[in-house]
Formats: sequence, structure tokens, C-alpha cells
Amino acid sequence: NAGVTQTPKFRILKIGQSMTLQCTQDMNHNYMYWYRQDPGMGLKLIYYSVGAGITDKGEVPNGYNVSRSTTEDFPLRLELAAPSQTSVYFCASMVSTEAFFGQGTRLTVV
Amino acid sequence: GQQLNQSPQSMFIQEGEDVSMNCTSSSIFNTWLWYKQDPGEGPVLLIALYKAGELTSNGRLTAQFGITRKDSFLNISASIPSDVGIYFCVANQGGKLIFGQGTELSVKP
Repeated sequence: NAGVTQTPKFRILKIGQSMTLQCTQDMNHNYMYWYRQDPGMGLKLIYYSVGAGITDKGEVPNGYNVSRSTTEDFPLRLELAAPSQTSVYFCASMVSTEAFFGQGTRLTVV
Repeated sequence: GQQLNQSPQSMFIQEGEDVSMNCTSSSIFNTWLWYKQDPGEGPVLLIALYKAGELTSNGRLTAQFGITRKDSFLNISASIPSDVGIYFCVANQGGKLIFGQGTELSVKP
């Protein structure tokens, strides 16, 4: 099993550009999450999903969109990148109470 | 939104020392989790707590679920250099995982 796979690992975006952060898991977990982590801070929940076709906002959803058309995939979309979205993004999936995290995507918006 | 207050924010200790950190909330939670994040990696689960008053160990790590269900504690005994990292308390609220701010641990050999 690959676990939770995030791509890309690094990306530099210009202000106003758009991109999709990919996340896929091969563990058949229903719950999936997107977090962002700013330097020296904890993880803040952007969006989460309890199953295919269902998504919900977390603490900091503004500027992001998600979709969950399959159990495996949970992409995160930035439509108009802003410098405030410079961060490390983590995707996770969960079974019971244990969440498995991807290795992160380091995004810089300049 | 819900907030977990984790302390201390950082600790600098000597190898072999014991470490304690804690997490409090104004809300009641039914599950408390402790995660560790190594540099450049995603967090990894250390210990899960499911019952008020529960004390659970994982090697040199011991965690407790507070009796009020509003707090949790993590102790690391006889620290070693590979204990370096950021430790997060996490509360599970109906499937939403809420993270504390983290305790950054540095261990001097």
C-alpha cells in the first residue's frame, strides 16, 4: 500500500494563478482531510470529507475548493492564488480515529 | 471554532530527562490523540485515548485522558535525540480532527 500520496511536493505560483493539489489514498478510508500548516503553527483544517460526494468546510476554507467524486481522491483547488496561501499543505485519510498523513505540498505564492 | 491550548510551545532538554506537555480545551471531547511530526514529514499517531481517566503507554510515552474530558497530558521518559520534533494534541470531534498549536521538543545529546 502506498498510503496517502500528495502531488506535487513543491510548487511556486504567481499571484492570481490557479492550481490543484492532488491527494489519493489506497486504504479505502471514508474520511479525508486537507490541512495547511504555517511556520511554527499547528495544522488548520481547510476542508474535509466523510465519504464520496460529501464535503464540508473546516476552519479556513476561504480561497479553496474541493471535490470528492471517488473514495480514493480528494483534490484541493486554489482558484486565485494569494501570498497568504503560502504554506505547507497536508492531506490525510482516516479510519476509526487514526489519521494517516501525506508528505505535504510546499506551496509558495509570489 | 474549537480551540486546543497546548503548552509549553517549546522545550529544550538534555538527553535522559523526562518531558511533560499538556493540552486543554473549554470543550468536552470523547477522543484525544497525540501525534508527532518530524521535520519535513506529516504527523504520525503516537497514542489514542478513548475514555476519561484512561492512562495509556507506548514505550517511553505515556498519555492520559483527563477526567473532565477537557484535557490530556503526554509524558516522555528518558528522552533520546530521536524524540526531537513537534508534538500535537488532537481532539476528534465527530470526525473532524482539531490540532493544538504543538510543542516543539529539542533534545541536547
